Amino acid sequence: DAKTTQPPSMDCAEGRAANLPCNHSTISGNEYVYWYRQIHSQGPQYIIHGLKNNETNEMASLIITEDRKSSTLILPHATLRDTAVYYCIVRFRSGGYQKVTFGTGTKLQVIP
Amino acid sequence: DAEITQSPRHKITETGRQVTLACHQTWNHNNMFWYRQDLGHGLRLIHYSYGVQDTNKGEVSDGYSVSRSNTEDLPLTLESAASSQTSVYFCASSRTSSDNEQFFGPGTRLTVL
Repeated sequence: DAKTTQPPSMDCAEGRAANLPCNHSTISGNEYVYWYRQIHSQGPQYIIHGLKNNETNEMASLIITEDRKSSTLILPHATLRDTAVYYCIVRFRSGGYQKVTFGTGTKLQVIP
Repeated sequence: DAEITQSPRHKITETGRQVTLACHQTWNHNNMFWYRQDLGHGLRLIHYSYGVQDTNKGEVSDGYSVSRSNTEDLPLTLESAASSQTSVYFCASSRTSSDNEQFFGPGTRLTVL
């Protein structure tokens, strides 16, 4: 599996956009980028995934660079409830299960 | 509403005892997973299953076993609990083998004394 690198922590003011970067320079052509988050003491929650085009859903937007070596998760209007650890992972989407390590993620603190 | 549940939510046991953690999902998902989460390690995969009678080892499977006798349940057994297995355990399920969205349970905090 391609490894990912994320900053250990970030702060964001409430109501502002939170931009969480992820580096995945060894990603292969068929691997997708997935984002999950984990709010304190809860199980992880799926946010979004993408292959090479930018993606948007009701929770967030995912911007993947043209060379696919990095991506950014954007929470357009961060709220206090978005305070969580955000995990970026890369994996194949089919062909059976592949070992996945969630890593240590980015701890996002949304400040009032 | 469909959901995934884990029991117990908290468990304290002694070294050497056998412990079973339950995971039950009502989505009728084929795929189920067990992870452990420790400080500094993120989530690590223990075992997973693609369907009834199917089980596979993850990256930290030593000392753990699972069985899949029906679609809804994937119990995780620690045959002889060790202090190194003190952790928070998460069960997850997904609809297809593409695993693009895994639904996680609330977790079980296990302490081995």
